Amino acid sequence: DAKTTQPPSMDCAEGRAANLPCNHSTISGNEYVYWYRQIHSQGPQYIIHGLKNNETNEMASLIITEDRKSSTLILPHATLRDTAVYYCIVRVLGGSGGSNYKLTFGKGTLLTVNP
Amino acid sequence: DAGVIQSPRHEVTEMGQEVTLRCKPISGHNSLFWYRQTMMRGLELLIYFNNNVPIDDSGMPEDRFSAKMPNASFSTLKIQPSEPRDSAVYFCASSLKGGVNQPQHFGDGTRLSIL
Repeated sequence: DAKTTQPPSMDCAEGRAANLPCNHSTISGNEYVYWYRQIHSQGPQYIIHGLKNNETNEMASLIITEDRKSSTLILPHATLRDTAVYYCIVRVLGGSGGSNYKLTFGKGTLLTVNP
Repeated sequence: DAGVIQSPRHEVTEMGQEVTLRCKPISGHNSLFWYRQTMMRGLELLIYFNNNVPIDDSGMPEDRFSAKMPNASFSTLKIQPSEPRDSAVYFCASSLKGGVNQPQHFGDGTRLSIL
């Protein structure tokens, strides 16, 4: 799997947009970018994923650069409940034995939303 | 909708005892995953089932660990005998198939402490 690089921590004011960057410069053409988050004492929560195009759902937007070497997760109006560790994961497609199921979690970014 | 259900939420036991962790995946999901999370190693995939069959158990640390999935709605992870280094949070996740485009949905985990 392509490695990802995220800042260890970020702060955001409540009500403002939170923009979380992720570098994945070695990503391959068939690898998806996935975002999960983990709120304290809970399991990881799926947020969004994409391949090439920008994606939006009820939780967030995902902006992927044209060369696909980096992406940004945007929480448009951050709330205190968005305080969590956010993981950017590049997920390989294919592989022997169906290894495309694997999620490899790094250390993520601790986002702290302040009142 | 009911998510992935894990039990117990917390388990404290003495070294040498058998520990059994339980998981009920989301109804209709046919892939199930067991993960372990520690401060030192982060989130690690232990084993992956597809249609109740273990596909990849390369992450299982040693023979003291075993996992079963007797039917589509239930899985167990057993540690026998348990050791203090097994202390961690164990997560179960499920998804539709195991494909790269299917997000995994996690339970809230079992926090295991081996004394």
